[in-house]
Parts: sequence; structure tokens; C-alpha cells
Amino acid sequence: EVQLVESGGGLVQPGGSLRLSCAASGFAFRSYAMSWVRQAPGKGLEWVSVISGGGDSAYYADSVQGRFTTSRDNSKNTLYLQMSFLRVDDTAVYYCAKVPAFGFWTTDRFFDYWGQGSLVTVSS
Amino acid sequence: DIMLTQTPLSSPVTLGQPASISCRSSQSLVHSDGNTYLSWLHQRPGQPPRLLIYDVSKRFSGVPDRFSGSGAGTDFTLKISRVEAEDVGVYYCMQATQFPPYTFGQGTKLEIK
Repeated sequence: EVQLVESGGGLVQPGGSLRLSCAASGFAFRSYAMSWVRQAPGKGLEWVSVISGGGDSAYYADSVQGRFTTSRDNSKNTLYLQMSFLRVDDTAVYYCAKVPAFGFWTTDRFFDYWGQGSLVTVSS
Repeated sequence: DIMLTQTPLSSPVTLGQPASISCRSSQSLVHSDGNTYLSWLHQRPGQPPRLLIYDVSKRFSGVPDRFSGSGAGTDFTLKISRVEAEDVGVYYCMQATQFPPYTFGQGTKLEIK
């Protein structure tokens, strides 16, 4: 059974930093690209970033480019999202999601499994 | 970026009756490889999204056959043949044809009358 468990969320002041983790199990983690998607309170879904199975390629939404960094440790089956220079409008539940392919430029372009999410609140 | 517009934003439905949600794209979602990367997700209250449909009309593993997807180009539809109580929540369409970024529709809330 595929399981994705996010952790690391919490309250942080504007301008601060936070690192989210997503622990994966039930599949060959290193063989699949992974993504982060966020959802502000009461709002819709917003894609944040995606990283290839090998971790050597990543893309970001314009809203987080230069402030957020996605990485992965395939030896630990864990995905990370390092968030810096946080703003109030970064407040959201952050979900990790699995892509059913190693890379992005494939014919498998969707998110097949999602974690439960981790709440990040940016407030003074 | 491609914009996805869903209608309606809210849909009260009677149990056992059909429901339909539209997703219109600002540009054609047909990729140069011939595929159309449009998927549908369902989010129950307090739960993460879950995949229902991918590639316009392919039902994901475990998804009941009362859910179906159709469409082409810029116009897509999710249909529920007979709504059940567990179908309440918000439905999102998502495109991955022109990426980055992946983009989502604004969501359609399905509720029981």
C-alpha cells in the first residue's frame, strides 16, 4: 500500500524558514518523480514543485521560485521542501504527491497518490 | 500559463441522480505527442485529494464505474451517473499538457440536496 506521510509543518514568522518532509513507503520511491501541492485555507489547489526520481531535475511555481527548494533522499525514501523567506500568503496545507513515472516528460502526467498534508502557518 | 475554468462552482444534487461538472481550458490540452493530459480529483471534507480520472477518460484503480470523464481540446466533463452520499466534496480538474506549471481548476463543490 502506497503511503505518504508529511511532517514538519507549524507556525513560523514572516521571513522565516521551515523544512517539510514526506516519508514514502509501499513503492519503489527512487523510481518515481514526486511533487508538492499546497492548499490555502478554504481555497483550491496550487502546484508548488516537482522533482525527478533521481533528484537531479526540479521545477517550481513562479510564486515560490528562488525561495523554496525541493530535494529527496532516496536512501531514506523521503522527499523534502525547504521553505525560506516565508510570506503570509504561503500559509497552506502542503501535500506531497506521487507521479507515476521517473520523470516529467512522459506520458504519465498526473498525481496518483497524495499524503494527508502538513499545515504551515506564516504569521507574526 | 493554462487556465482551467470549472462550472458550476456549486452543485446541489439529489441522491441517486446524475451530476456533471465542466472544465474548460484557455488553450487546447492536446500535447504534441497526441495525448491529452487532463485529470480529475476528488477531495472530501478534511481529506487530501484523490485521483479519479486521468488522460481525460481513464478511471484510476478502485474508482467506481459511476464516474466517467470525456471531452477533447478545450472542453472536458466529469459525470457521475448516480450520486451517492460519499461523493460529496470538491472536484478539481488538472492539466499537465503544458508544464510547468501544472494548473488546477478552481473546484466544484458537490453537495446533497
